[in-house]
Amino acid sequence: KQEVTQIPAALSVPEGENLVLNCSFTDSAIYNLQWFRQDPGKGLTSLLLIQSSQREQTSGRLNASLDKSSGRSTLYIAASQPGDSATYLCAVTPGGNNDMRFGAGTRLTVKP
Amino acid sequence: DAGVIQSPRHEVTEMGQEVTLRCKPISGHNSLFWYRQTMMRGLELLIYFNNNVPIDDSGMPEDRFSAKMPNASFSTLKIQPSEPRDSAVYFCASSFRQGVGANVLTFGAGSRLTVL
Repeated sequence: KQEVTQIPAALSVPEGENLVLNCSFTDSAIYNLQWFRQDPGKGLTSLLLIQSSQREQTSGRLNASLDKSSGRSTLYIAASQPGDSATYLCAVTPGGNNDMRFGAGTRLTVKP
Repeated sequence: DAGVIQSPRHEVTEMGQEVTLRCKPISGHNSLFWYRQTMMRGLELLIYFNNNVPIDDSGMPEDRFSAKMPNASFSTLKIQPSEPRDSAVYFCASSFRQGVGANVLTFGAGSRLTVL
């Protein structure tokens, strides 16, 4: 069974820092990997989707990388802002089906 | 498009009562998912549908939970009878799947259920 782990569970940084969130998964036979953002009391917003054939995706200050063979993905946030404060979740779709598995998330706080 | 619409946003009920959560997916999406989120267990997939057909309900905790999708624009998740341990936020999500194409999930805002 696919297990998704995110480290750290919580992270607090001063505004302006660059930071990296980590995601690992136990079964490298994935179809794609998605990073989501969740604000308190809200639903999830998709940030980036990386297909298994891709190495990275970029959107603005966000860059997500994927190393399928080692079962790892990172989300890089450049020049962090207080508005980036949220919980970030990664999720993998194993083997082409729709059964997306989520990590527990990293709770990010960016202090002004 | 208004996105994935869930109702009610909040529900407080007493143990033993029936609870029905509703979801309207994005028009044109052909896959629908029900997730449950708690502090202890994180986000768990309960069941998903492709083209209105339930594909995998192995995440449904027990027989008290049931889900239906009578048409492409509506789904329900029912709990009968409800118990305090069912208290959680229930999310509905939808996506468009074509063959083995990309599955960008769009989530609803969630239904926060409290069972007293």
